[in-house]
Amino acid sequence: NAGVTQTPKFRVLKTGQSMTLLCAQDMNHEYMYWYRQDPGMGLRLIHYSVGEGTTAKGEVPDGYNVSRLKKQNFLLGLESAAPSQTSVYFCASRRSGLSYEQYFGPGTRLTVT
Amino acid sequence: AQSVTQPDIHITVSEGASLELRCNYSYGATPYLFWYVQSPGQGLQLLLKYFSGDTLVQGIKGFEAEFKRSQSSFNLRKPSVHWSDAAEYFCAVVPNSGGGADGLTFGKGTHLIIQP
Repeated sequence: NAGVTQTPKFRVLKTGQSMTLLCAQDMNHEYMYWYRQDPGMGLRLIHYSVGEGTTAKGEVPDGYNVSRLKKQNFLLGLESAAPSQTSVYFCASRRSGLSYEQYFGPGTRLTVT
Repeated sequence: AQSVTQPDIHITVSEGASLELRCNYSYGATPYLFWYVQSPGQGLQLLLKYFSGDTLVQGIKGFEAEFKRSQSSFNLRKPSVHWSDAAEYFCAVVPNSGGGADGLTFGKGTHLIIQP
């Protein structure tokens, strides 16, 4: 039982390049989330999904797109990377209902030059 | 506006001493409350959570937290810290929305340094 995994662990992009971050969970959780972590800012919600085929915007969605084609996967895309998107990205998942406890992946460190 | 405040950016504690990390929230109704820990280069691990009931909650690794409604606070404590407790600590909340999918709102974190 791997929990929440993220691919890749590290990535360096040039401004304007695109990439996709993959999050996978094997806990059969309905809800999945993408956060970014910046120094002194805590974690901020980018997008989330309440189920296969559904996504919604969080606090800081601009410059990102997401897709959830399969229940276990949640993809975060950057179509045209900017230096302001240099950050550590965390994926999380949880069961639906009243548990509210989110399980986090190990993170992806992205640098945009 | 809804917010979570961790007033201390850095805290230094001697090994074996007691610890208290502060967290205050500003919400219309009492949200659900969490403390997470992040070791260097790692993801986030849940220490404890408060939904309702007993206002003193026990967590993992010897941590506890006390919910005080009158002060809108949820402070984290440990009676005796170990060098391995050095990490970043985050207070987080989610609105009590009847099982909705709201994401967590995090404080900015407190960096804990342990002195030998």
